[in-house]
Amino acid sequence: GQQVMQIPQYQHVQEGEDFTTYCNSSTTLSNIQWYKQRPGGHPVFLIQLVKSGEVKKQKRLTFQFGEAKKNSSLHITATQTTDVGTYFCSFSGSARQLTFGSGTQLTVLP
Amino acid sequence: NAGVTQTPKFQVLKTGQSMTLQCAQDMNHEYMSWYRQDPGMGLRLIHYSVGAGITDQGEVPNGYNVSRSTTEDFPLRLLSAAPSQTSVYFCASSFIRGGSTDTQYFGPGTRLTVL
Repeated sequence: GQQVMQIPQYQHVQEGEDFTTYCNSSTTLSNIQWYKQRPGGHPVFLIQLVKSGEVKKQKRLTFQFGEAKKNSSLHITATQTTDVGTYFCSFSGSARQLTFGSGTQLTVLP
Repeated sequence: NAGVTQTPKFQVLKTGQSMTLQCAQDMNHEYMSWYRQDPGMGLRLIHYSVGAGITDQGEVPNGYNVSRSTTEDFPLRLLSAAPSQTSVYFCASSFIRGGSTDTQYFGPGTRLTVL
């Protein structure tokens, strides 16, 4: 079935540095969603992208959907310790199954 | 609104035992699903449902059964627990819009250990 490759698997940054995670698909996606999971918590919805080339911002977070709708990225500017967690992308495939990427685990060092 | 609730929060089973993980939502969502999360493996879909009376298999359905007799409830049954089923289980729900699943709301999870 459809899958997305999410990279990197782990990222350690110093507080104040930027961070980016990428999701890549071999097939065109109808939409993509991003979730954040804090350590010991459950995934929480961040945003959904639907349109080709779409860019959305939430404070220090910038989300992009590629022109071909095959890739997406999440960029965090000037990371803070509150950004710690695992970031997942997901998409709705055939038969309405929601498939998740393997996630990028972000550690922010103070 | 309570959102998505899951019980129990923690459970320890012996190999071969059966049990049911409960999931309920009060948002009138059509779509409900169960995921398991293992370290470094992300979230893998076990079973899902697009409405009462309709269920379907996800990526890793073996060893699990589900039913959806009401819109609100979507229990997950482990038939004969195995150590390989040690994991964190999340239930999620959402509306279905335009043929696709919308924002997923996750429950707090059940941490299951099978000895």
